[in-house]
Amino acid sequence: AQTVTQSQPEMSVQEAETVTLSCTYDTSESDYYLFWYKQPPSRQMILVIRQEAYKQQNATENRFSVNFQKAAKSFSLKISDSQLGDAAMYFCAYRLNYGGATNKLIFGTGTLLAVQP
Amino acid sequence: ETGVTQTPRHLVMGMTNKKSLKCEQHLGHNAMYWYKQSAKKPLELMFVYNFKEQTENNSVPSRFSPECPNSSHLFLHLHTLQPEDSALYLCASSPQGSRYEQYFGPGTRLTVT
Repeated sequence: AQTVTQSQPEMSVQEAETVTLSCTYDTSESDYYLFWYKQPPSRQMILVIRQEAYKQQNATENRFSVNFQKAAKSFSLKISDSQLGDAAMYFCAYRLNYGGATNKLIFGTGTLLAVQP
Repeated sequence: ETGVTQTPRHLVMGMTNKKSLKCEQHLGHNAMYWYKQSAKKPLELMFVYNFKEQTENNSVPSRFSPECPNSSHLFLHLHTLQPEDSALYLCASSPQGSRYEQYFGPGTRLTVT
C-alpha cells in the first residue's frame, strides 16, 4: 500500500527567508503524481504544485519549487522569499496514475508552517 | 458562486440527532468525494462518486450515509454519531479519471456532543 510521511509537524520561517518542507512516500509503482497542497486558516485546500513521476525536471511555481528524488522516494517543497500569507498547513499527497476511473489521493499528516514577521 | 461550496460551515450535534452536510460544485465535474480530516491524522477518503454512482466506500461506518442525486451535488447524512466523529469534513470534485486534479471545498467543522 502507498503511504506518505511528513516528519515535520511544525516549521517556522522568518519573512523573506527560505524554508523546506519534507515529504517521503512509499510505493512500488513507477507512474504517479505527487502534490503539495496548502490549507490556510480559512480551510480551503489549494493545490500549490504538482510533479509527475516520469518527469525528471523539478516542478516550479513562482516562489515554490520541489526537490523530487525518485530513487529516494523524497519530495520536498521549498518556499523562497516567504510571505505572511504562506502561513498554513501544508500537505504532501500521492496519486497513482493508472489510467482508471477512480482518482484517489493519499495524504500525509501535514506540516504547520508559521511565518514570523 | 464558483468552485466547490459546502454548507453548513460549522455544525454541532448531539449523538441522537440527524443532520446532513451539503456540497455543491460549479465546475462541471463528474466525480465527487468526501474526506474526513482529524487532527494529527492524514485526510481520510470516505466516499467517491463518479457520474452519481458510488465507486468507493472506504469502510465507513453506516452512521454516515452519502447521497449523490446528480453530478453537482453531494450530501452526507449523519445519524447517531459518536464524539470521535468530530472532525472537519471536506468535499472535493474533479473530472472523472485518475489524471485530473481535485478541487476542495472549505469544509464543515462538525462537533458531536
